[in-house]
Amino acid sequence: EAGVVQSPRYKIIEKKQPVAFWCNPISGHNTLYWYRQNLGQGPELLIRYENEEAVDDSQLPKDRFSAERLKGVDSTLKIQPAELGDSAVYLCASNERGRNGELFFGEGSRLTVL
Amino acid sequence: AQSVTQPDIHITVSEGASLELRCNYSYGATPYLFWYVQSPGQGLQLLLKYFSGDTLVQGIKGFEAEFKRSQSSFNLRKPSVHWSDAAEYFCAAFNAGKSTFGDGTTLTVKP
Repeated sequence: EAGVVQSPRYKIIEKKQPVAFWCNPISGHNTLYWYRQNLGQGPELLIRYENEEAVDDSQLPKDRFSAERLKGVDSTLKIQPAELGDSAVYLCASNERGRNGELFFGEGSRLTVL
Repeated sequence: AQSVTQPDIHITVSEGASLELRCNYSYGATPYLFWYVQSPGQGLQLLLKYFSGDTLVQGIKGFEAEFKRSQSSFNLRKPSVHWSDAAEYFCAAFNAGKSTFGDGTTLTVKP
């Protein structure tokens, strides 16, 4: 069974440029999460989807971040424009409905903003 | 505020020695509790979980954790550490639809 797939693994951009990350969750997993992990810290939730509905986006900085999960499967997280403080690892995770807290993570997308 | 604390930022143990990583949580009610491991350049992998019942839970790779309600703790243990256990370990709590992670403990294993 394929795990959570993320791309790109690494991205280096200049500040004020846009960037997008893609995530394909495990087949059958209704719930999809985007987390940000700063150096030396644990993951922090940005947004949670149940199928195609964003049910918790309270921590998503909506002035520059956007996300979508149009068909309830794969998802894209976008930052426009990027700032120096956005340098972090962006992790995607998924799980089945009812599997509370049991998360399956992708390998992450490491963003460096210069 | 709900929080998860891992008091030790970095722990070094010798290969073959025992290991204990500490985790404390602050919640109104007992949350579901988890330990994850993250190897360099990788995502997090679930080691074990506690929902209710037996306070000593077994996980993968020979790890176990003990839930102590009186201490609001969920410490991770392994009797004999292998060099491949070197990684970062995260404790997490789940409550009301949200997972909160500690800041992690980095484990170094000496030969």
